[in-house]
Amino acid sequence: GDSVTQMEGPVTLSEEAFLTINCTYTATGYPSLFWYVQYPGEGLQLLLKATKADDKGSNKGFEATYRKETTSFHLEKGSVQVSDSAVYFCALSDQSTDKLIFGTGTRLQVFP
Amino acid sequence: EPEVTQTPSHQVTQMGQEVILRCVPISNHLYFYWYRQILGQKVEFLVSFYNNEISEKSEIFDDQFSVERPDGSNFTLKIRSTKLEDSAMYFCASSEAKGGIRGYTFGSGTRLTVV
Repeated sequence: GDSVTQMEGPVTLSEEAFLTINCTYTATGYPSLFWYVQYPGEGLQLLLKATKADDKGSNKGFEATYRKETTSFHLEKGSVQVSDSAVYFCALSDQSTDKLIFGTGTRLQVFP
Repeated sequence: EPEVTQTPSHQVTQMGQEVILRCVPISNHLYFYWYRQILGQKVEFLVSFYNNEISEKSEIFDDQFSVERPDGSNFTLKIRSTKLEDSAMYFCASSEAKGGIRGYTFGSGTRLTVV
């Protein structure tokens, strides 16, 4: 079945460092891909999405490009802030099944 | 920005009791979902609901669980005879279109603690 694999955490960075969180997926169809963020004590917030190959999702300085050839959707940010500390979830949905399949989440800790 | 609202934010219940978790989806959304996240683990799909019936459910969603849209605005998850392992964060979500092409919007969650 469909699945999402993302890098283990925690990822620990200093403020202004470059961030990459890897995400790869397995899907039989043509899924939409998402990154969700969960700040401490809060719910899931959609960070960005891409619905077809080569689409780039972006929001709040974060970017991810839907790469069909490598089945990847890596999250990047050029300069992280302490306020970016959170758990980041990669997820996919397939129109035929209409549910989100999440990765295990990657905790990001940014220190001043 | 429209929100999905969940109540209560935290519920403590005794093992064996019934609980009802409530959600108010975004008003023009047609597809509704429940997910759960056991502490420290991944977010898992429970059930999807469209046109007043269940569209899909996971193997977690057994006879202990039920969902209902009792009126035009609320969407509820009922857990009968709660067990310790039902302790988790439960998220409601809604979507305008099937497959999340326009994105899924999640509520802030209800933390259920079964003691």
